[in-house]
Amino acid sequence: EPEVTQTPSHQVTQMGQEVILRCVPISNHLYFYWYRQILGQKVEFLVSFYNNEISEKSEIFDDQFSVERPDGSNFTLKIRSTKLEDSAMYFCASSFIVELFFGEGSRLTVL
Amino acid sequence: AQSVAQPEDQVNVAEGNPLTVKCTYSVSGNPYLFWYVQYPNRGLQFLLKYITGDNLVKGSYGFEAEFNKSQTSFHLKKPSALVSDSALYFCAGFSGNTGKLIFGQGTTLQVKP
Repeated sequence: EPEVTQTPSHQVTQMGQEVILRCVPISNHLYFYWYRQILGQKVEFLVSFYNNEISEKSEIFDDQFSVERPDGSNFTLKIRSTKLEDSAMYFCASSFIVELFFGEGSRLTVL
Repeated sequence: AQSVAQPEDQVNVAEGNPLTVKCTYSVSGNPYLFWYVQYPNRGLQFLLKYITGDNLVKGSYGFEAEFNKSQTSFHLKKPSALVSDSALYFCAGFSGNTGKLIFGQGTTLQVKP
C-alpha cells in the first residue's frame, strides 16, 4: 500500500541551526501538508501546498519556516533558525482530494 | 471560527465492554470528518471518515462512528473494546472551504483487561 515517508525519524540540533525535514508524499497526490505535534498534545496545522505554491499557512508558520517541492517528488520543510519551542513531532501529509495520509513523523529536538 | 472538540481527555473502559469517544465539530459548509489513532511514538493512522451518505460509517479494526448533524457530533464507537485499542484518538474536521484539517485535542483511550 502506498505511504508517505519522512526523513529523518529523529533529529537533534542546536538552537539557531537550520533544519530540513524531508517527505515523499504518495505519488499521485496533489495536496501536501505539514503539521506539528508538541509532545502528546494537539496536532496543529502549519501549511498546505498545492500546485507548487502555499495555499494556506497558520500563524505558527512564520518567516523562519519555508516549504518547497524541489524535484516533483520530495516535499521539504525548512526551519531557518531553530528555537527551543520548535521541538516537536512534525508530520507530513498528502491527499488526492479529501482524505489525508500521514507519514510516521520526524521528531525534532532543539537543544 | 472552525473547530473540533473532544470533551474528554481520557476514556477508561474494561476489555469486552463497548467504548465511545466523543467528538463535536463546528465547521462551515458540508463537514468532512475523520478519526485518526496514534500509538506511542508513531504517526497518525487513519480509522474512518464521513464525507456524505450513511450517517453510520464503519472503519478499521471494528471501529465505527455516527455522524449526527443536529448535534454536530461524530462519536467514535466500538462494540467490544480490546486492550490493544489503547491509544490516543484524534477527531478531525475538514471543510471544503478551508482546505485544511482541524484536529481535536485528542482523547487517550485506556482499555483495562
